[in-house]
Amino acid sequence: KNEVEQSPQNLTAQEGEFITINCSYSVGISALHWLQQHPGGGIVSLFMLSSGKKKHGRLIATINIQEKHSSLHITASHPRDSAVYICAVGNFNKFYFGSGTKLNVKP
Amino acid sequence: ETGVTQSPTHLIKTRGQQVTLRCSSQSGHNTVSWYQQALGQGPQFIFQYYREEENGRGNFPPRFSGLQFPNYSSELNVNALELDDSALYLCASRGPGQGAYNEQFFGPGTRLTVL
Repeated sequence: KNEVEQSPQNLTAQEGEFITINCSYSVGISALHWLQQHPGGGIVSLFMLSSGKKKHGRLIATINIQEKHSSLHITASHPRDSAVYICAVGNFNKFYFGSGTKLNVKP
Repeated sequence: ETGVTQSPTHLIKTRGQQVTLRCSSQSGHNTVSWYQQALGQGPQFIFQYYREEENGRGNFPPRFSGLQFPNYSSELNVNALELDDSALYLCASRGPGQGAYNEQFFGPGTRLTVL
């Protein structure tokens, strides 16, 4: 059983749609990270959460510590949002990653 | 641009050989973590170093070892390479402090192919 489960694994959307990616975890954590990975491998950290909600532009991330669940929302999606989105949870000295959600936004 | 660099970008080795991958972290980042990402999968945590000491390890055998240096550079060494070691190897730095609260900054990765 994976410590971090993401859904869906693959997601295709039309430009402008509202997108939600979910992450559930089973370990105790200090923080949860949402990462974006483009083809070629480069990873960018989008959010780091330990409680509540954060917003950067069209991206919103929420976390419910009691339910061990987080969501990443993209409003008004755009083809440049096409990437793999990875949820990762960390405690003091370990990180666990989800297998990623591959998002394809069509124009 | 995350300020974290890795070298080399690509590497081809044969089974049984040894490899050293390098990472240069942002100045002031005392914690560096290394990850293995097989094709089509999420990254797997290999280990973490804080102030030149390993202080966390995932489910990887001892032939995966590392070093961290005072100048914020670090190495991942893999001995007795196996075909399954073929993957993208990522390093990420964060700091100050060693908790998981700090944002991670990822390098571009080294793609290792073992033939």
